[in-house]
Amino acid sequence: QKEVEQNSGPLSVPEGAIASLNCTYSDRGSQSFFWYRQYSGKSPELIMFIYSNGDKEDGRFTAQLNKASQYVSLLIRDSQPSDSATYLCAVSYNFNKFYFGSGTKLNVKP
Amino acid sequence: SAVISQKPSRDICQRGTSLTIQCQVDSQVTMMFWYRQQPGQSLTLIATANQGSEATYESGFVIDKFPISRPNLTFSTLTVSNLSPEDSSIYLCSVRVGAGYLYEQYFGPGTRLTVT
Repeated sequence: QKEVEQNSGPLSVPEGAIASLNCTYSDRGSQSFFWYRQYSGKSPELIMFIYSNGDKEDGRFTAQLNKASQYVSLLIRDSQPSDSATYLCAVSYNFNKFYFGSGTKLNVKP
Repeated sequence: SAVISQKPSRDICQRGTSLTIQCQVDSQVTMMFWYRQQPGQSLTLIATANQGSEATYESGFVIDKFPISRPNLTFSTLTVSNLSPEDSSIYLCSVRVGAGYLYEQYFGPGTRLTVT
């Protein structure tokens, strides 16, 4: 069973702070890693994807991948109340399979 | 990227009936997927629908209950048959854009199904 683990939260951070979301996965053969944001009642929206070890930055978002430790994280700088959502980590183990974590709920307090 | 639309956006159906959900993509894609998201839960893959071949179902999902069509590279339907209240969920169409392991996966807006 391929597992993708996330802390369900809620993670509460004040506006302007850095939110750090973490995800661990069980299979060392994992190839691709994705972060989705899902607002209540909406479908998941792709924020970032990362394939190689290290950091990948896109605006206020930074994805970090450490394959040796089998974790991937998402940092949100200058958090805004509009960032309040559930963040889903997804991991691909081969070209067809895509496994989601249970999601971390983020609350950004004004 | 890909722009995905789904119809209907929501429906309320009676037990024992069926609902067919349509998924339309603005570009040709090889790989399309159907997911279910039950209230408060994460996404569960129902099946993979590739054009020109039979859909591949995940464990716990069967063709008789969730028949899928994929007539071309921009369109697919998912039917949820013999509805029961346990089928109340959000059903999401998803497509993959890219090649090999360098791809992105996008989701449609979802269809919210309530079975009474």
